[in-house]
Amino acid sequence: DADVTQTPRNRITKTGKRIMLECSQTKGHDRMYWYRQDPGLGLQLIYYSFDVKDINKGEISDGYSVSRQAQAKFSLSLESAIPNQTALYFCATSTGPSSYNEQFFGPGTRLTVL
Amino acid sequence: SQQGEEDPQALSIQEGENATMNCSYKTSINNLQWYRQNSGRGLVHLILIRSNEREKHSGRLRVTLDTSKKSSSLLITASRAADTASYFCATSSGGSNYKLTFGKGTLLTVNP
Repeated sequence: DADVTQTPRNRITKTGKRIMLECSQTKGHDRMYWYRQDPGLGLQLIYYSFDVKDINKGEISDGYSVSRQAQAKFSLSLESAIPNQTALYFCATSTGPSSYNEQFFGPGTRLTVL
Repeated sequence: SQQGEEDPQALSIQEGENATMNCSYKTSINNLQWYRQNSGRGLVHLILIRSNEREKHSGRLRVTLDTSKKSSSLLITASRAADTASYFCATSSGGSNYKLTFGKGTLLTVNP
């Protein structure tokens, strides 16, 4: 979905390297999320943010950090990448609570850690 | 841990046939959503059904929700090759209104 973009789309890196994945959205949504997806599995929530000043850990935040630079931008960092962080990473946005609202997903970043 | 579990894990049908996928969950929910994912792409929202609804339609999609059995089904009628994708259910429950919990998905293959 062009409204939510992710860069890079593919990245191969080595163990121990610092990696930043970026997400931008033009939907004007306050809420943004980072998920990872492993083959054959559903999505696991890494971090989420309700606005620029509100950032929260998800289910699997260890080894990751995030930065909400603006309403439209939410970056995910791997401070020291390890092979089991090889996965497909998705950014998503929503207007409000998941009780009432769908989430809009970016196209994903495929990360390989050697 | 996954809240929703889809069944079957994989389904292969011929074009024109109907496809039914099921989702079971463990705790009470606020709503249940279905998403589609084409291979290696982002998820696309299909339909949302609230806990007080029993059935919902959108085009060729029909979703049912049985809160007493903690289960939902997604029916795609008159399937097309373009419906080939993975389908995920996701639940929102309790006070966790920030969070969707996704199942592992059903891989649907529609053969031309």
